Amino acid sequence: QQPVQSPQAVILREGEDAVINCSSSKALYSVHWYRQKHGEAPVFLMILLKGGEQKGHEKISASFNEKKQQSSLYLTASQLSYSGTYFCGTAYTGGGNKLTFGTGTQLKVEL
Amino acid sequence: GAGVSQSPSNKVTEKGKDVELRCDPISGHTALYWYRQSLGQGLEFLIYFQGNSAPDKSGLPSDRFSAERTGGSVSTLTIQRTQQEDSAVYLCASSLYPSGLSYEQYFGPGTRLTVT
Repeated sequence: QQPVQSPQAVILREGEDAVINCSSSKALYSVHWYRQKHGEAPVFLMILLKGGEQKGHEKISASFNEKKQQSSLYLTASQLSYSGTYFCGTAYTGGGNKLTFGTGTQLKVEL
Repeated sequence: GAGVSQSPSNKVTEKGKDVELRCDPISGHTALYWYRQSLGQGLEFLIYFQGNSAPDKSGLPSDRFSAERTGGSVSTLTIQRTQQEDSAVYLCASSLYPSGLSYEQYFGPGTRLTVT
C-alpha cells in the first residue's frame, strides 16, 4: 500500500521553513526521501532506519516515528534550489527490499 | 564515475507494437529497479533484481510487461502489444545493495514512452 504524503503542495518564500509528512499503514523498516526537479531524475536526500540510524543530506533533517509509522522531512531556511517534488519511499518490515513511493509533495520556493 | 544510463531517452510507438527499454546500472551495483512514472504521478514500482536471486516481479501491471537482467548488469524492460495507458516515463535505478536495508538508489534519466 502506497504511503500518504502531506501536504500535496506548498509554496514558500526563501528563508521559510517547511515540513513534509509521510504516513504508512504498515510497519516500516526504513524510510527514504528523494527530491525530483522537473524533467530530471529523483535524487537521494535521506534514509532513516528503524532503530534511529540516519544518513543523508547535511542541510535537511528528518524524523522517523516507528510507532506511528510516520516520517517527517524538515526543510529549514529554504533556498530556491529546494524547489521540486519530494517523495518518500518506504520499505516494509517483511516486505522485501523494494521501496513503495508516495505520491509526492510539490514544493516551490519563491523570492 | 558514470551514473545510471538509459536508452532510448524518448520512444514514440504505435499502439500494438512491442518496445524494449534498456538500463545500464552503475558498475558494481548489485540491485536494479524499474519504476514507471505517469504524468504528475509518483513512482510506481515494477520489478527488482538482486544479484543472482529470482527477481521480484510483483509490480508488473500485466503479462505484457517483462524484464531481464543479463550477467548481473544491463537490464531490458520489454512491453509487448503496447497500449496508450503504457505512456509514461520509465525510470531505472541501481543500488550498491538492496535499498530496503540502508542503501540509496541512483536513478537514471528515464525513457519517455509515448504510445500513439
